[in-house]
Amino acid sequence: KAGVTQTPRYLIKTRGQQVTLSCSPISGHRSVSWYQQTPGQGLQFLFEYFSETQRNKGNFPGRFSGRQFSNSRSEMNVSTLELGDSALYLCASSSLDNYEQYFGPGTRLTVT
Amino acid sequence: ELKVEQNPLFLSMQEGKNYTIYCNYSTTSDRLYWYRQDPGKSLESLFVLLSNGAVKQEGRLMASLDTKARLSTLHITAAVHDLSATYFCAGPYSGGGADGLTFGKGTHLIIQP
Repeated sequence: KAGVTQTPRYLIKTRGQQVTLSCSPISGHRSVSWYQQTPGQGLQFLFEYFSETQRNKGNFPGRFSGRQFSNSRSEMNVSTLELGDSALYLCASSSLDNYEQYFGPGTRLTVT
Repeated sequence: ELKVEQNPLFLSMQEGKNYTIYCNYSTTSDRLYWYRQDPGKSLESLFVLLSNGAVKQEGRLMASLDTKARLSTLHITAAVHDLSATYFCAGPYSGGGADGLTFGKGTHLIIQP
């Protein structure tokens, strides 16, 4: 079974731009969660989607948004990028029959 | 929102020694996770603990959960260099139900020969 995939793996953007990151969950998994990891703040929960609905959201500004498609693939968007948005963005997928969360390799975003 | 506190945050130990990482959490939670992260890599799932008194072991690592004390431990037995990594504990952001995890700050573990 293929694991969680994330694209792109690396990204460099300029302050003020916007960015879209993609996450494809493990086949059959309907829940996708997104996280931001920075040296200063650690791993922080962004949001979680299940069957195209956002079920849970962390404490991030409205510049951070996401969505999930009918095939369970998910995207997150960050608008008006700030230097502090530079981070490793991780997504994880899980299924209904167990509580395991499987993480993708991440997208490393650098904002200059 | 669940709060998770790990200690220690940094641990340097010698091969062959035993040690324990502690994870306290703030509110009732129906499960607790342990992950490993190597430098520049993603998170690798180690254990999911689902009930009070749960104990799981994999090689030199053993995790336990005490829901009454809101405490989980990760015990390392006879450490070897390959176990050097950062270890995170995590619990459901809302304490249960919908997915999404709150993570501790991580324990940076260095095992020296």
